[in-house]
Amino acid sequence: DQQVKQNSPSLSVQEGRISILNCDYTNSMFDYFLWYKKYPAEGPTFLISISSIKDKNEDGRFTVFLNKSAKHLSLHIVPSQPGDSAVYFCAASVQAGTALIFGKGTTLSVSS
Amino acid sequence: DAGVIQSPRHEVTEMGQEVTLRCKPISGHNSLFWYRQTMMRGLELLIYFNNNVPIDDSGMPEDRFSAKMPNASFSTLKIQPSEPRDSAVYFCASSFLGMETQYFGPGTRLLVL
Repeated sequence: DQQVKQNSPSLSVQEGRISILNCDYTNSMFDYFLWYKKYPAEGPTFLISISSIKDKNEDGRFTVFLNKSAKHLSLHIVPSQPGDSAVYFCAASVQAGTALIFGKGTTLSVSS
Repeated sequence: DAGVIQSPRHEVTEMGQEVTLRCKPISGHNSLFWYRQTMMRGLELLIYFNNNVPIDDSGMPEDRFSAKMPNASFSTLKIQPSEPRDSAVYFCASSFLGMETQYFGPGTRLLVL
């Protein structure tokens, strides 16, 4: 069973608009949630994280929202740029410093 | 500053051969993780170490896989004998002990024929 699910395999957005990537999870023991970005032939790059005691974390153009009751988190990118085109992975862990459980990823395409 | 370094970046081998993947974590990091990415299963943890000690190897698929961390700056993942189903991208990641953010290397793309 997938504990972390990214139900949209792909998303297309125009430059300057908002990109919203979604992630659902099933394990209520998850304590930390992270978003990674991945370009082809490179390793995942950390973007932003949030702990379960918060409902929002913001870093520049990136904001992550956590809804614990719905077991749902989302990543907002505003404004979207062509360089944001990549695969975005949602990940979660039950404790900092332990295994990350990844979703299957969402491919974001930002057109100019 | 250098990130996580992995070698080789690409490996093509024949079924039955031994494969050794190498990883150098970010200097100062004391947790090291090995992940595998396949089309079917996505990114999955194989094993991780804290202070060079294996903590969780529940993701290691079978006895053909072994991992070592002889010192704080080097780890190996060995597959012996290799099989075509081991073909995947293998990532190494490191972090400070107890911190949630893991930093990934570029990966080793393994193809077993």
